[in-house]
Amino acid sequence: DTEVTQTPKHLVMGMTNKKSLKCEQHMGHRAMYWYKQKAKKPPELMFVYSYEKLSINESVPSRFSPECPNSSLLNLHLHALQPEDSALYLCASSPGQGAYNEKLFFGSGTQLSVL
Amino acid sequence: AQTVTQSQPEMSVQEAETVTLSCTYDTSESNYYLFWYKQPPSRQMILVIRQEAYKQQNATENRFSVNFQKAAKSFSLKISDSQLGDTAMYFCAFRGEGGSEKLVFGKGTKLTVNP
Repeated sequence: DTEVTQTPKHLVMGMTNKKSLKCEQHMGHRAMYWYKQKAKKPPELMFVYSYEKLSINESVPSRFSPECPNSSLLNLHLHALQPEDSALYLCASSPGQGAYNEKLFFGSGTQLSVL
Repeated sequence: AQTVTQSQPEMSVQEAETVTLSCTYDTSESNYYLFWYKQPPSRQMILVIRQEAYKQQNATENRFSVNFQKAAKSFSLKISDSQLGDTAMYFCAFRGEGGSEKLVFGKGTKLTVNP
């Protein structure tokens, strides 16, 4: 299994809703990442988990809350989002602790629309 | 800080022909990797090819090859025998040993392969 699976594929939510994005991989990878991608822009790093510990938070607003319950699963909890948070949210994983020479495997993303 | 520049926002090529996508980068690091990622309409980021800075030999993967000019900080992607399935957004990316978890992307080049 060489896939990173993200659910749901599409999500529409209101500004007062609470929702979660889910990412799963069964490749035994120990680093997992959340990226945000606006239309026609490159992905921007949000969070990195290395061995289930948060190692990078790129100054992301607290309305985004990541969680890594185990080595195969990564969640992104969403609360009180703004319309400008509408974007494609990509999850990725890599084999080790996130070293510079590791190949990233990406999921297909969750397209989020905030109304 | 590292920067990655892709100067061609859009390109097109006829099926079966060859096309070259440009990328330049700026860094003061000595250990780093360079990557080309492809993002087709399915939105999944797919690694096309990667190059370690210390390797003089240019990387190749089937129809994809790079021209890595370390002194000029240039890393172009050549696609031979272009196929319709190559139509996608192509991102050049840098990952250095100093900021190991962070993959720095260029703004992307939208490639269209015409029949």
